[in-house]
Amino acid sequence: QKEVEQNSGPLSVPEGAIASLNCTYSDRVSQSFFWYRQYSGKSPELIMSIYSNGDKEDGRFTAQLNKASQYVSLLIRDSQPSDSATYLCAVADQTGANNLFFGTGTRLTVIP
Amino acid sequence: DVKVTQSSRYLVKRTGEKVFLECVQDMDHENMFWYRQDPGLGLRLIYFSYDVKMKEKGDIPEGYSVSREKKERFSLILESASTNQTSMYLCASHQSNYGYTFGSGTRLTVV
Repeated sequence: QKEVEQNSGPLSVPEGAIASLNCTYSDRVSQSFFWYRQYSGKSPELIMSIYSNGDKEDGRFTAQLNKASQYVSLLIRDSQPSDSATYLCAVADQTGANNLFFGTGTRLTVIP
Repeated sequence: DVKVTQSSRYLVKRTGEKVFLECVQDMDHENMFWYRQDPGLGLRLIYFSYDVKMKEKGDIPEGYSVSREKKERFSLILESASTNQTSMYLCASHQSNYGYTFGSGTRLTVV
């Protein structure tokens, strides 16, 4: 069973700070990684994908990937109260149809 | 944008009823999935399908079945609903190496 591990939190940061969310995975050959945001009572929404080592930036979000360490992270700069949500890390299976394996999520609270 | 539509946002059913949850996607995706999500347990895969009339068991298929008669539609069936099937049910679709797109979810309560 492929594993994706996240700290469940809750993680609390003050408004304007940088929130750092971390994820480790067990399958060394994984090539595709995703971050989803899920507001309470809503479905997960894809916010970032990353396929290569290094950083990928999209607005206030930066995804970081280190395949050697089997580690992927999401940084949220200038955190806003609207960023308060659960963030799910997902890793694609390299066999078959690239099914995703999900972590259980980290709950982030941004304090005004 | 890919759209995944789940037919009901909220459902209340009685124990022993047969329950159908419908999911339709509009982007010609090959792969479709049904998950349930419960507090503290994360997303758990029930069934998935790679093509019409094909289905594969996920991690927790017991008490569920699925139907995929058309490429765009993937139905989850609870043969005889039980209270432990009260949950949020999420449908998703994807193609190749891209992330999943989820439907808005169906919150099912079995009483």
